[in-house]
Amino acid sequence: KNEVEQSPQNLTAQEGEFITINCSYSVGISALHWLQQHPGGGIVSLFMLSSGKKKHGRLIATINIQEKHSSLHITASHPRDSAVYICAVPPRGGSQGNLIFGKGTKLSVKP
Amino acid sequence: DVKVTQSSRYLVKRTGEKVFLECVQDMDHENMFWYRQDPGLGLRLIYFSYDVKMKEKGDIPEGYSVSREKKERFSLILESASTNQTSMYLCASRYGTSGTYEQYFGPGTRLTVT
Repeated sequence: KNEVEQSPQNLTAQEGEFITINCSYSVGISALHWLQQHPGGGIVSLFMLSSGKKKHGRLIATINIQEKHSSLHITASHPRDSAVYICAVPPRGGSQGNLIFGKGTKLSVKP
Repeated sequence: DVKVTQSSRYLVKRTGEKVFLECVQDMDHENMFWYRQDPGLGLRLIYFSYDVKMKEKGDIPEGYSVSREKKERFSLILESASTNQTSMYLCASRYGTSGTYEQYFGPGTRLTVT
């Protein structure tokens, strides 16, 4: 079964800072998900990627399949980016099955 | 836009009560999931369903059951609620069985069992 480790667990930043959240997994995969959970509970999907890099606004996600590692970057961070960021991968490699979730990184951006 | 709704945002129940959590999705997705989320433990899968009347146990099914009589609706049942079932419960749906499909989450139900 795939193991997912996220770092850091908690992150506090000043508005405008560049932020990096890391995700490592133990079994090779064909897709990795980044999710965002705001206070109050709802979870939204930010990215699904299988190689290289994806960008959406100020968010950038990268993945290195060989190193089994992904990063989520936030440029010019803003207080509204404060949330828990979660990475998730398939449980046994490949693409089948339900997702295994990291424990999340709690980001707080101060004005 | 895919919409996943849950019957309650907050729920308070007494120990021993039977509790029903309802989840409805409007995109004709085959796969539906129930998770619980606890501080420090992340999201853990309770049950999932890949078709009407079909269900599979997840990682922590003990104390829970599910029902899927219609494609759009997936219910989580706590037969006899206990205080250790106090948690945030999240429902999700997905089009296919592959982990390469995006998963859509409901807003969550924060259940307190007293």
